[in-house]
This record gives sequence, C-alpha cells and structure tokens, in this order.
Amino acid sequence: EVQLVESGGGLVQPGRSLRLSCAASGFSFSNYVIHWVRLVPGKGLEWVSGVTWTGGNIGYAASVKGRFTISRDNAKNSVFLQMNSLGAEDMALYYCARDSLSGGNSYALDIWGQGTMVTVSS
Amino acid sequence: DIQMTQSPSSLSASVGDRVTITCRASQDIRNDLGWYQLKPGKAPKRLIYDATTLQGGVPSRFSGSGSGTEFTLTISSLQPEDFATYYCLQHNGYPPTFGQGTKVEIK
Repeated sequence: EVQLVESGGGLVQPGRSLRLSCAASGFSFSNYVIHWVRLVPGKGLEWVSGVTWTGGNIGYAASVKGRFTISRDNAKNSVFLQMNSLGAEDMALYYCARDSLSGGNSYALDIWGQGTMVTVSS
Repeated sequence: DIQMTQSPSSLSASVGDRVTITCRASQDIRNDLGWYQLKPGKAPKRLIYDATTLQGGVPSRFSGSGSGTEFTLTISSLQPEDFATYYCLQHNGYPPTFGQGTKVEIK
C-alpha cells in the first residue's frame, strides 16, 4: 500500500524549533518529489515546500522562507522539515504529499499523509 | 502568485442532492487543476486531476469540468460519506495555490 506517515508535531513555544518527519512506503521513494503542505485553522491549505529526489529544494512559500529547511534521506525513505523561529502563524496541521509525476515535478499532489499537528503557544 | 477563488465557502445539502463547487483562477492555468476531499483525522484524498479526470477508485458521482480559468466539481447525488471539505489546487504556476475550501454540511 502506498503510504505517507508524518510525525514530530507537538506543542512548541514561540521562537523555538521543531523537526517534522515523513516516512514513505509502498512505492519507489527515490523517484518522487515530496512536498509539505499545511492546513491553517480557519484559513485553508498552503503549500510550504518541496524536495527533489536528489535532495534539492524546489522552493519555499514566502511565509516560511529563511526559517524552514526541507531535506530527505532516500536510504530511510524519509523527508524532513526543519522549522525554526516558529510563530503563531505557523500553527497548523502539516501534511507531506507525493508529487504525482515520477521522475519529474508537477506540483500535482496525489498521495497525502494524515498530517501532524504543530501548536505554537507559550 | 495565481489566486484561486473558490465558492461557496460552505453549503448545506441533503443526501441525494446535486452539489456544485466552483474555482476561478486569476489567470489561464490550462487544465492544471485537481480537486481534493478533506475529512478530520484522515489523509486528504484526490478526487479529480487534470481538471476532468476521475482518480482511480473514486465514485463516478464525482466529476470535474472546465479549463482555462473556470472549473467545477460536481457531486451528482450526495452521499453521507461525502460530507467533508473540498479544495481545488492549481499547479500550473509557482507556487502551487489552493482555493479557500468549501465545507459541505448536512442540511
């Protein structure tokens, strides 16, 4: 079964850091770009970032650029999102999602995980 | 950024009703659009891709239409399991952007 499972969310104080993980299974992980998308309460979905099969980023949303870093470990079938200087505006349910284009990048997302919640509060 | 204007933001409907949700793009995005269903505690599910193609395993009561700047998701006969929030996603321009979402509630 093709699956993505996020972890690492939790309660964090403003200004602190958190690292999210996304574990993939059931497909040739190293052939796919993986994205992070967040669901902000009361606002909706926002694309955050994506990482190529070689580990290069394909960009960041303006709202997180300079604070978030995406990476991957193909040996562990995992993608990570390092989030620094967290603020209330980063509180959201974070999903990882697979790009639908094997060997390319289309930004069309076909498979999603269930998400991991990040709460920013003192 | 390409703006996606989705309407309505919410609707109340009964089982068996026909439901239509619209997304309008701020510029031509060809057919680079998908529709997604979100339910609490579950992984989002893609229903439609390339604006009109039904994702494998998705019931045929779901359909998508449109190209360019106007797109529609239609549920021909609403079922109890369809009460959820729906989003469109454009992936023609960078960054990819979503509509604001439509919450479908039980009347």
